[in-house]
Amino acid sequence: ETGVTQSPTHLIKTRGQQVTLRCSSQSGHNTVSWYQQALGQGPQFIFQYYREEENGRGNFPPRFSGLQFPNYSSELNVNALELDDSALYLCASSPTSGGAGDTQYFGPGTRLTVL
Amino acid sequence: AQRVTQPEKLLSVFKGAPVELKCNYSYSGSPELFWYVQYSRQRLQLLLRHISRESIKGFTADLNKGETSFHLKKPFAQEEDSAMYYCALKSRAAGNKLTFGGGTRVLVKP
Repeated sequence: ETGVTQSPTHLIKTRGQQVTLRCSSQSGHNTVSWYQQALGQGPQFIFQYYREEENGRGNFPPRFSGLQFPNYSSELNVNALELDDSALYLCASSPTSGGAGDTQYFGPGTRLTVL
Repeated sequence: AQRVTQPEKLLSVFKGAPVELKCNYSYSGSPELFWYVQYSRQRLQLLLRHISRESIKGFTADLNKGETSFHLKKPFAQEEDSAMYYCALKSRAAGNKLTFGGGTRVLVKP
């Protein structure tokens, strides 16, 4: 069984640029959630995708967008990057969209630095 | 709005001593609580969840709805317990998102 994978591992961008982060969900999982973890803080929920549809969104502006593909892998896109977007971006997959006891399994994260 | 608070940023204990990590939450519905752990250079992983009422690696956590707490405890800390610990709350009403606390770093000294 393959776990959650994310690419790239590290990324450096400049203000105003756009970035795409990728996530492959664990085998058999149809739900992907994205989180932003700033230095010294806990992860913050960005949004969740279930069967290719957005299924909940946190308090992030529209320049944060996502996609989920038929194989349940997912992308996180961030437009017009700001310095405060520098963070570790975590992807988590789960077998369902959140039933009782449903567990989210995390990837290793992508470290984004915005200069 | 839901919130999870971990008041201690750092807990330093000696090997063999008890350790308790505090977690308090605010949520108007019926909560589902988790503890996640992140060891050095590893990914975030589930340690335990309240609905399972299990003990993992000697850790236990009891949901106290009256005090809105979900403290994590271990009677005898081991050096391999040194890690970052996050308490998290799942909300069905908000897209099944996990709301995390700020985390507590545990350092177990020999």
